[in-house]
Amino acid sequence: AQSVTQLGSHVSVSEGALVLLRCNYSSSVPPYLFWYVQYPNQGLQLLLKYTTGATLVKGINGFEAEFKKSETSFHLTKPSAHMSDAAEYFCAVSDAGNQFYFGTGTSLTVIP
Amino acid sequence: GAVVSQHPSRVICKSGTSVKIECRSLDFQATTMFWYRQFPKQSLMLMATSNEGSKATYEQGVEKDKFLINHASLTLSTLTVTSAHPEDSSFYICSASFGQWRGRSAKNIQYFGAGTRLSVL
Repeated sequence: AQSVTQLGSHVSVSEGALVLLRCNYSSSVPPYLFWYVQYPNQGLQLLLKYTTGATLVKGINGFEAEFKKSETSFHLTKPSAHMSDAAEYFCAVSDAGNQFYFGTGTSLTVIP
Repeated sequence: GAVVSQHPSRVICKSGTSVKIECRSLDFQATTMFWYRQFPKQSLMLMATSNEGSKATYEQGVEKDKFLINHASLTLSTLTVTSAHPEDSSFYICSASFGQWRGRSAKNIQYFGAGTRLSVL
């Protein structure tokens, strides 16, 4: 069975500062890993995904994430936070059966 | 990227009425569609998984007679909340996945609709 843990339900950063959202997973098989962003009253937008290949994945809006198998982590980063980055972020893992398992989400606040 | 359209975005209804929510894949054929429910400040809870032409698979604790799911075509799935009550008020989100898109494997990727805010009075 898969599970996803997002450390920190709320993260606050200053505008221009580094964004780091943590995600750890447990998986019995090689996982597919995803980060989604959700703005208020909207659906989820795919930020980036890791399936195979390069472990550093670049996504939209300047975000990137690195798959570290030894640490079972897939942390999301962005070098410089922008006000428009304020949103809810979800990490998800899926297995070969296409079942998705979501973390509980991290609310990102960007302080001007 | 692949686009999933969900309609309506918001619905307010009286207790006891039924509400239908549509989920359409606009530029691809969705082999599998998923329905989620999201409570305020919480993560997504998978309600059911549906494959085109077959019965939906419901997660434990989800009443299949209350939440009717139809996936009649490769581009459309519907969720009907029957005899809705205030406790059914929630944010419902659909997603779709497919095997290939433009010749590239796209399995295990879900594309989400914008969600439907259901308020039952």
